[in-house]
Amino acid sequence: QKEVEQDPGPLSVPEGAIVSLNCTYSNSAFQYFMWYRQYSRKGPELLMYTYSSGNKEDGRFTAQVDKSSKYISLFIRDSQPSDSATYLCAGGRGSTLGRLYFGRGTQLTVWP
Amino acid sequence: ETGVTQTPRHLVMGMTNKKSLKCEQHLGHNAMYWYKQSAKKPLELMFVYNFKEQTENNSVPSRFSPECPNSSHLFLHLHTLQPEDSALYLCASSPPGGGNNEQYFGPGTRLTVT
Repeated sequence: QKEVEQDPGPLSVPEGAIVSLNCTYSNSAFQYFMWYRQYSRKGPELLMYTYSSGNKEDGRFTAQVDKSSKYISLFIRDSQPSDSATYLCAGGRGSTLGRLYFGRGTQLTVWP
Repeated sequence: ETGVTQTPRHLVMGMTNKKSLKCEQHLGHNAMYWYKQSAKKPLELMFVYNFKEQTENNSVPSRFSPECPNSSHLFLHLHTLQPEDSALYLCASSPPGGGNNEQYFGPGTRLTVT
């Protein structure tokens, strides 16, 4: 079983839609969870970072972690064409070496 | 810009060539990483360096040879690669302490092995 599972999509939504991106993980020792956004031909960009369970909001983006079900989510409100990218989820144990385990990424297209 | 730069951005090399990838971080971080990104696969961790010392080699073939002369620079030396090594190679760095796992990525080097 992979450490982090993520549906690769693709996911296509109209502009203004609410987008829900999801991942599951298997390692109960994970404490830190991240979402990265990767535009075509670019490196991943850290988008959201959460510790343990709960929600974190940043503008149109909300990251949610449910450790009881080992489920992590990213919600994008009022989606824009500029949100079109691949979104990578990742989890880590918080060791001093900072190893992250990544999902495969979900490709999102927001059409005008 | 994330503060992590990589050169070259694109590289085409034959199976008998030797080339090197370079990464530099301007963030004051102490840990640096090499990842391989192939289509439809999760990021594959290759090497981890912490304060210039290699702390992880994720069973990477010896045709990939990392070098970390200081906490700001990281190299990946390539020789006798195979076509299946064609991928995007990403460098990342993380802050001192490292406990929060935040990693910041460079733009990557798109490698094609012919």
